[in-house]
Amino acid sequence: KDQVFQPSTVASSEGAVVEIFCNHSVSNAYNFFWYLHFPGCAPRLLVKGSKPSQQGRYNMTYERFSSSLLILQVREADAAVYYCAGDDCYNTDKLIFGTGTRLQVFP
Amino acid sequence: NAGVTQTPKFQVLKTGQSMTLQCAQDMNHEYMSWYRQDPGMGLRLIHYSVGAGITDQGEVPNGYNVSRSTTEDFPLRLLSAAPSQTSVYFCARFSLPRRSTGELFFGEGSRLTVL
Repeated sequence: KDQVFQPSTVASSEGAVVEIFCNHSVSNAYNFFWYLHFPGCAPRLLVKGSKPSQQGRYNMTYERFSSSLLILQVREADAAVYYCAGDDCYNTDKLIFGTGTRLQVFP
Repeated sequence: NAGVTQTPKFQVLKTGQSMTLQCAQDMNHEYMSWYRQDPGMGLRLIHYSVGAGITDQGEVPNGYNVSRSTTEDFPLRLLSAAPSQTSVYFCARFSLPRRSTGELFFGEGSRLTVL
């Protein structure tokens, strides 16, 4: 079964660089997508691609079957759920999401 | 709201009742989808549509029906609600009109509780 795996919780101190790891078993997936979700709001895309990329404080690493989201200078306001997703290049209408990583940030 | 509007935002149902979650987009995009979000389960695809008159099943379609009579609307129907359908439901569209891009724009969600 095609699946995307990520840790359920990651904790960090404010100001640090936090890393959230993701890997998948989707044989035809080549792109990773990282989404941010605050409860009560719409999830939104942070960064995506099939190569390392950066959007502001968000860096994405890339390997064929794994990716990490690095958040630089993490703040308490970054506490949220982060979803990793992959797409199936033979059926790009479907994104396969991981179960989400809850980021806890301590002052 | 990224051009995706969901109603209602909150709903409480009794087991066996039926209801429809509404989703509308104002971007004339072909692709729309419904996800449910549950603790520890992430976002799971229920149904999706790549255009008017075309729908397909996702990962967890049982207990849900969809139709796509217009490009703008993609309602999700629960014919006989069950407690297992207690969840937060998100409707989404892709960022481009006629091509999948991986960048989904989500509505703000509909929280459904089935007693």
